[in-house]
Amino acid sequence: AQSVTQLGSHVSVSEGALVLLRCNYSSSVPPYLFWYVQYPNQGLQLLLKYTTGATLVKGINGFEAEFKKSETSFHLTKPSAHMSDAAEYFCAVSEGAAGNKLTFGGGTRVLVKP
Amino acid sequence: GAVVSQHPSRVICKSGTSVKIECRSLDFQATTMFWYRQFPKQSLMLMATSNEGSKATYEQGVEKDKFLINHASLTLSTLTVTSAHPEDSSFYICSARVPTNYGYTFGSGTRLTVV
Repeated sequence: AQSVTQLGSHVSVSEGALVLLRCNYSSSVPPYLFWYVQYPNQGLQLLLKYTTGATLVKGINGFEAEFKKSETSFHLTKPSAHMSDAAEYFCAVSEGAAGNKLTFGGGTRVLVKP
Repeated sequence: GAVVSQHPSRVICKSGTSVKIECRSLDFQATTMFWYRQFPKQSLMLMATSNEGSKATYEQGVEKDKFLINHASLTLSTLTVTSAHPEDSSFYICSARVPTNYGYTFGSGTRLTVV
């Protein structure tokens, strides 16, 4: 079984400040990890994913995440927040290459203050 | 690449009627599609997994007779909400696993309102 915990259902940052969204997971097999962003009344857009290899993953829109196996974490960061980053962010895990379904965290809503 | 097209984006129906939502993979073959339901300000809840040519696998607590899923081809999966009631009002999203990169791509969602 796998599970995902996102610490903080809401995060408020000032424009230009660091964005840090926390994600911890549990998985019985080496996981594949994902971060998605969702804007109101839209589907999910992939920001980045980790499957194998380099543990620091760079994604779209300046986001990056680091897979830390010892901490079972996959935190998402962006050095400088932009107003357009205001959205809902979801961390998700699948059970590696053989995995089928995604398990989602509860989501974190990001508010960007001017 | 790896686009899933979901229609309609919004639908309003009367209580007791049925509504069909379609998801098509446009540039790849989706052997497996997933259907999610999302309540306001909440995460996605997996309803069922559909595999092309076979019966869907429903998550615990999801009524298979109410939420009919068909995956008759490698590019089309449908979700039919039968005898809809106001409590079925929700945001429904489909997703498909992308076979070439272990990723998952999502449709744009369908806002269902039952009046």
